[in-house]
Amino acid sequence: EDKVVQSPLSLVVHEGDTVTLNCSYEVTNFRSLLWYKQEKKAPTFLFMLTSSGIEKKSGRLSSILDKKELFSILNITATQTGDSAVYLCAAQGLTEKLTFGTGTRLTIIP
Amino acid sequence: DAGVTQSPTHLIKTRGQQVTLRCSPISGHKSVSWYQQVLGQGPQFIFQYYEKEERGRGNFPDRFSARQFPNYSSELNVNALLLGDSALYLCASSPGLQGYTEAFFGQGTRLTVV
Repeated sequence: EDKVVQSPLSLVVHEGDTVTLNCSYEVTNFRSLLWYKQEKKAPTFLFMLTSSGIEKKSGRLSSILDKKELFSILNITATQTGDSAVYLCAAQGLTEKLTFGTGTRLTIIP
Repeated sequence: DAGVTQSPTHLIKTRGQQVTLRCSPISGHKSVSWYQQVLGQGPQFIFQYYEKEERGRGNFPDRFSARQFPNYSSELNVNALLLGDSALYLCASSPGLQGYTEAFFGQGTRLTVV
């Protein structure tokens, strides 16, 4: 059965800190890994990673995939209160189905 | 461009009742997937439809069913509601089965079963 595990489950840091969120996966016929940010309802798409070792960046957020060790990390530098959210990691196999982890709840203290 | 739209946003039903949730995908997207998200958990896959055909089904009982219409919008039906069906139901749309495509989510329908 496909499985995605995220760590830590929750994280509380001060504004300006840098955080690293972890995601490991076991998915048959793995195709891609996706990161989402969920603040209230709709998960908002952040990144899709398909190749090992290629970092994707968007502003203060960056992510990288290691297909040999079956994990991905999401980095957020110079955190702001607006970064407070649940960050979801999802893995995709050959179909459109996404297998999600439980999420990491990130809280930024001003 | 409009994103993924879902209706209704909130719903309260009684145990044993039936409910229908609706989803309109992003224009041009042909694939729609449904997910159930219980409080404190990640979304769980229920169904995927592409070109009006079911292409994937998660580990949910037969009380859950769905369909996709010619305009690619979709409905999720849940019969004989149980208290445990209370959750946020999310719809995701993507262009389709070819290549690597990200899924975009709607705001969800918050279903409460009492």
